[in-house]
Amino acid sequence: DGGITQSPKYLFRKEGQNVTLSCEQNLNHDAMYWYRQDPGQGLRLIYYSQIVNDFQKGDIAEGYSVSREKKESFPLTVTSAQKNPTAFYLCASSIEGDRGGNYGYTFGSGTRLTVV
Amino acid sequence: QKEVEQNSGPLSVPEGAIASLNCTYSDRGSQSFFWYRQYSGKSPELIMSIYSNGDKEDGRFTAQLNKASQYVSLLIRDSQPSDSATYLCAVLERADGLTFGKGTHLIIQP
Repeated sequence: DGGITQSPKYLFRKEGQNVTLSCEQNLNHDAMYWYRQDPGQGLRLIYYSQIVNDFQKGDIAEGYSVSREKKESFPLTVTSAQKNPTAFYLCASSIEGDRGGNYGYTFGSGTRLTVV
Repeated sequence: QKEVEQNSGPLSVPEGAIASLNCTYSDRGSQSFFWYRQYSGKSPELIMSIYSNGDKEDGRFTAQLNKASQYVSLLIRDSQPSDSATYLCAVLERADGLTFGKGTHLIIQP
């Protein structure tokens, strides 16, 4: 079955540590997105990529980095510069050129990151 | 700043009644509108999309769009306890993709 796989489901980060969240899709979608969700808050866009080897900052990119070396994969690194990283992270994808306008986004199951 | 506004709730509805969820958006040029359901601790799942003025029905769900008023709504008929969730409104307003509202927390009381 086609879908988006995020791993791990739960992740614990120590102060000053970088961690990487995995996002893999087999939907043949060109566009991929990373969102952060805090309790009682909506989805805030961190980074997005519409094509391999290209990505753009979203509204809250500071303290995060991404890469898009393969169409299927869009990993997110939470760096030590992100001072409040505890949140629920969601990866999504959409069809090329659509920006989600015709079919919406397909979401992964999310990664819950906690600072310990 | 493009915005999508929703009442955060909680909205409490008796089982079997109609739940009405509302959303307003700021960009008059928006063309695509979506409703996602998100259970606690889970990721959002797409339940309805609407692109033209009027109503669109899918089972117990009806999406309504009024572009002149910049208003989109979701009606859930014969509400069930399993409908208890947060409902996110999403609008294609920006070049970088969908803009999401903060969601309305719906509680269906048995």
